[in-house]
This record gives sequence, C-alpha cells and structure tokens, in this order.
Amino acid sequence: DQQVKQNSPSLSVQEGRISILNCDYTNSMFDYFLWYKKYPAEGPTFLISISSIKDKNEDGRFTVFLNKSAKHLSLHIVPSQPGDSAVYFCAARAFNQFYFGTGTSLTVIP
Amino acid sequence: KAGVTQTPRYLIKTRGQQVTLSCSPISGHRSVSWYQQTPGQGLQFLFEYFSETQRNKGNFPGRFSGRQFSNSRSEMNVSTLELGDSALYLCASSLVYNDWDEQYFGPGTRLTVT
Repeated sequence: DQQVKQNSPSLSVQEGRISILNCDYTNSMFDYFLWYKKYPAEGPTFLISISSIKDKNEDGRFTVFLNKSAKHLSLHIVPSQPGDSAVYFCAARAFNQFYFGTGTSLTVIP
Repeated sequence: KAGVTQTPRYLIKTRGQQVTLSCSPISGHRSVSWYQQTPGQGLQFLFEYFSETQRNKGNFPGRFSGRQFSNSRSEMNVSTLELGDSALYLCASSLVYNDWDEQYFGPGTRLTVT
C-alpha cells in the first residue's frame, strides 16, 4: 500500500528551465513533508521540507508547494542546472514514521 | 563532523543464510532508522531505534530485526535470506526524531542474495 506516490519515474529538462517534480499522497494524517535528492552510490540528502500548516516553502532555487485539499506536493527547481540531475524522493511523516515515494529521476540537459 | 557510515558497502549472500549490517550515526544523534530500497518500491521503512529501544516498526516479517547499542550504533539482521531481500539498505540518523528533525542518510549497504 503505497501511501506516497511519484507517478513519473523520470523527467528531462533543459538547463535554465523549470523542473517540476510531483508527489501525491493518500494519508490525511501526514503532517510534515520532505524532498530528498539522491546521487548514485550515495544515500539520500535532505533538500527541503514543508509543514502541513503551510502551502509554500522556498529555499534558493528550490520551492515546495503543498496542496492539502488535493493531497499533492510539488518541488520546483528554477533555474535547473546539470548538477541537479539525480533521483528525487518525496517523503511524508505520520506518527513519527516516514513514508517515501518511489522516486523521480531528473535529467537536466546542458 | 563525520557523516553516517554503513558497513559493509556491498555484500553477496546465499538464500537461507543470515546477514548483519552495521550503521554508525552522526556523533550526537540518538535516533537511527533503517530503510530498504528496491527499484519498484522506493524506500520502505524497516524500524527506528532511539536510546537502544525500538520505537517504530514497519511492515516487514520477523526475519528482519535490529538493535541499537549504548553508543547509538545500530545493527540490522536478516535471517533466512530470500532472493527478494536483495536491495539497498539505508540507515539514517537524526538528533531525536521529532518535529522538524531531519534525517541524515548513510551511503547504504547493497545486499545481493543469490
């Protein structure tokens, strides 16, 4: 039972353009959402997070949007850079347990 | 400050064997969580330890077990290995594992069961 879903396994974007990664969830008890970035042969690294009481959080080129009514989370990267090429996981927390999506592989084309 | 370390990085085992993986958290971090990553399932939560006690457990069979030592280092054990246990096993540490607490992941142990 996948409570956090990333329906796009891969995404390709031109350098300088916007990358939008999407995530849907089913559990209305999730209170905290995060995005992680993962390079091959490395563990995921924390990127940005958002509390369920907010609808937007921004950190430099990265912005996370939360639409609670739609149970939808998105990560915007502007402008995209080749170094952003990685697998991105969204995660959500409920009752001190984190649930991860299956990941979206982002390729930024120079 | 050193990051989360996991040993070994790669492991090949045969069906029916058992395996123990080790995780050393960031100094000062008291919570250690374990995840299994497979291509189709993403990261799935195995269990979390805090102060030598298992606080949370995911939906995995009893063949998967773990423990945490007084220095916060943690081990994960899988008994009677099955082919489907082949995966990347990640551990993550955090200070206390509460609100706004980020998890820091290790590089993982790649387990192959033949």
